[in-house]
Amino acid sequence: QSALTQPPSVSGSPGQSVTISCTGTSSDVRTYNRISWYQQSPGTAPRLIIFAVSDRPSGVPDRFSGSKSGNTASLTISGLRAEDEADYYCSSYISSMSTLVFGGGTRLTVL
Amino acid sequence: QLQLQESGPGLVNPSETLSLTCTVSGGSISDSGYFWGWIRQTPGTRPEWIGTTHYTGGETYYNPSLKSRLTMSVDMSKNQFSLRLSSVTAADTAVYSCARQLGADRWAMDVWGQGTTVTVSS
Repeated sequence: QSALTQPPSVSGSPGQSVTISCTGTSSDVRTYNRISWYQQSPGTAPRLIIFAVSDRPSGVPDRFSGSKSGNTASLTISGLRAEDEADYYCSSYISSMSTLVFGGGTRLTVL
Repeated sequence: QLQLQESGPGLVNPSETLSLTCTVSGGSISDSGYFWGWIRQTPGTRPEWIGTTHYTGGETYYNPSLKSRLTMSVDMSKNQFSLRLSSVTAADTAVYSCARQLGADRWAMDVWGQGTTVTVSS
């Protein structure tokens, strides 16, 4: 079982909102604010869109937001656009593993 | 604007050492608060963190699964940091990317290189 579990896929229509979950098997997600989210389009490096659970790097639209409840972190994308279609990965440092771990990724399809 | 660029051989023989360098431009590797890391990824799979280091070399973190084969170093004079992974096998074939990490405890990579493909094969 992966340390961070994401749904394989989500979809939504333009203008709608979608939420991608990231559930941790250890208590690290609950205890620390180390959750990050990345957007990755084919053939490109991941792009950081959320860090420290809910902070956005400069240049990332406020349509992207992050939150956490218990051991599950969430990424919400509002006002979906065709350009949001990509793979999304959560990550967190897992103390018990001494490792920065990435979730399995979620493929977002904009219908 | 900070940019990172990976360089190194695209083909490595099995059992040999993979060596990659990341050149930082548009900023300094000694910029306060930042760490520098390596991540690899094979097509269709999640990224795998390799390791993270500080420019002083005083704080370095390795993926335990790679630790016995891994060495990371920093060359401040060249604004570069490097990766050496020994005794490689086909399982080490991947796209290797260098990245800047936002501090020791945030574990978030905010600037990435474009990645370089390394194939382990004879």
